[in-house]
Amino acid sequence: DAKTTQPNSMESNEEEPVHLPCNHSTISGTDYIHWYRQLPSQGPEYVIHGLTSNVNNRMASLAIAEDRKSSTLILHRATLRDAAVYYCIRGGGADGLTFGKGTHLIIQP
Amino acid sequence: DAGVIQSPRHEVTEMGQEVTLRCKPISGHNSLFWYRQTMMRGLELLIYFNNNVPIDDSGMPEDRFSAKMPNASFSTLKIQPSEPRDSAVYFCASSFVGGYNEQFFGPGTRLTVL
Repeated sequence: DAKTTQPNSMESNEEEPVHLPCNHSTISGTDYIHWYRQLPSQGPEYVIHGLTSNVNNRMASLAIAEDRKSSTLILHRATLRDAAVYYCIRGGGADGLTFGKGTHLIIQP
Repeated sequence: DAGVIQSPRHEVTEMGQEVTLRCKPISGHNSLFWYRQTMMRGLELLIYFNNNVPIDDSGMPEDRFSAKMPNASFSTLKIQPSEPRDSAVYFCASSFVGGYNEQFFGPGTRLTVL
């Protein structure tokens, strides 16, 4: 049970922002929200994580709802290389990750 | 740093044979994870170690699967005997436990059991 809900797929145009939603309505107070992505034929790679506050890094931004029941991964300017499956995961910071089906992001040139 | 190293990258074997997958974590990391990915079941955690000690092996599918971590720089996942339904991509990941623990994944081993 992944305990998160994401759309199966989303499509966006190159160089436009992308907002990937995730619902985690049963999240506990100590659960992090992690985002990983998997490019074709590669292992997953870390994107960003957060606990309560919005977060920014060089790859993306993470906006977390005030009640923590949902979050949004923001790619500010998508490129073709961002086409991947994006996984939203809730859980501890040191435990193994429970992956769901993720969102397949398609980028159109 | 070379990242997480897995070998072999591809393995084709026949049903009933023993298969051993190998993983070298990133130097200095003290947690190691084994995952399996199939089309039907997606990515699943099989087992993870902290300081070479298995912490959670509840994802190991059955007794045919075993994992060891004899030292901080090496781990194996063994399947004996292998079955066609074990065909999958097996990923190893490592992280450093201390604060938040981003996991770094290896390139995976694609296993095909005929």
